[in-house]
Amino acid sequence: AQRVTQPEKLLSVFKGAPVELKCNYSYSGSPELFWYVQYSRQRLQLLLRHISRESIKGFTADLNKGETSFHLKKPFAQEEDSAMYYCALTRIQGAQKLVFGQGTRLTINP
Amino acid sequence: DAGVTQSPTHLIKTRGQQVTLRCSPKSGHDTVSWYQQALGQGPQFIFQYYEEEERQRGNFPDRFSGHQYPNYSSELNVNALLLGDSALYLCASSLALAGGITGELFFGEGSRLTVL
Repeated sequence: AQRVTQPEKLLSVFKGAPVELKCNYSYSGSPELFWYVQYSRQRLQLLLRHISRESIKGFTADLNKGETSFHLKKPFAQEEDSAMYYCALTRIQGAQKLVFGQGTRLTINP
Repeated sequence: DAGVTQSPTHLIKTRGQQVTLRCSPKSGHDTVSWYQQALGQGPQFIFQYYEEEERQRGNFPDRFSGHQYPNYSSELNVNALLLGDSALYLCASSLALAGGITGELFFGEGSRLTVL
């Protein structure tokens, strides 16, 4: 069964502190992993995908197949990072549906 | 480009009624997916339409049905509404790539359905 687990519903850190949003998954096969973000009063949008290996807005995420994790990290949090973050997975090749986690609400305190 | 547009933004129905939600994809996109997002939960995949056909379906009953038109716009229909159908319904569009791969999803703002 495909499942994405985000163990923290809420996460609060101070500006300038490091941020790590956890994501664990279960999937039989080779998945593609994503992080989606929803800022206040905006629509859900793609932040990054593991295949791209990019750093977006200072965020990075490494796929750890051994631990089946895809944690999102940023070394120095900024107030504009406050948002709802969703981890999601899909099947590589012929990918159709996204399976989302429950989301983590990140608050950056000044 | 207005991106993905959905209508209506909010609606209230009573149990047993039927509802139709509409979605216009981002310009240039040919694939539409629908998701249900209950309060406090992540989006759940309902189904995906490509070339006017349902290409894949999630774990939703037959009360949930859809349609895609030649201009790629799409509708989601829900019959015999239950209280548990109250949720935000998200439409996402994408471009089908070679090898059957789906490109990046672009989401609409959603239609919030309340069933009383």
